Amino acid sequence: QSALTQPRSVSASPGQSVTMSCTGTSSDIGTYNYVSWFQQYPGKAPQLVIYDVTKRPSGVPDRFSGSKSGNTASLTISGLQAADEADYYCCSYAGRYIVIFGGGTKLNVL
Amino acid sequence: EVQLVQSGAEVRKPGESLKISCKGSGYIFVTGSIAWVRQMPGKGLEWMGVISAADSDTNYSPSFEGHVTISADKSINTAYLQWSSLNASDTAIYYCARRGSGSISTFDYWGQGTLVTVSS
Repeated sequence: QSALTQPRSVSASPGQSVTMSCTGTSSDIGTYNYVSWFQQYPGKAPQLVIYDVTKRPSGVPDRFSGSKSGNTASLTISGLQAADEADYYCCSYAGRYIVIFGGGTKLNVL
Repeated sequence: EVQLVQSGAEVRKPGESLKISCKGSGYIFVTGSIAWVRQMPGKGLEWMGVISAADSDTNYSPSFEGHVTISADKSINTAYLQWSSLNASDTAIYYCARRGSGSISTFDYWGQGTLVTVSS
């Protein structure tokens, strides 16, 4: 299983919306609705922001939303805030009890 | 409050062994699984494997199978990650993460990370 593909960085201004992609294959994202997204600040542990493609854990603002189309999952953050600047990682179930992560996307809030 | 508390930073020489730990609290340990995730310096997250806290059933990423061992002691709510022979390329931060009652990729609580440095 290869890592999921994420853009290295995306940029947007405060108040705008940004969407970042996570591309897999028909063996992982394309088959299973078990995609999660994690936010990681420098020097900190990751935090879950989206699970099961579209669900938000309690405490995560509804500015964060997830979706999936075919082999690609997406995370959208609306009403961008400076505090959203972080690294974002997707992960997906890949069958046979294996989970794979994407390489991560650095979100720059300009 | 659910917490995963990991053991402290370690420094080892190549070829040495190591076992790091992850202690869960604030929830019923055996109702979840514990995954281990590697983050090499300046790099992304890599899923290494997972252990069921109830029966210690384990699954490994093909990239790590045979090089690490994941275990757990449910009597003390603790999961472990161990190496019998470290390489310099094992230098990384290692996180444990809980999969609770959610789906297999829902890691809802994370430990603070353990920095492992392997250097001669």
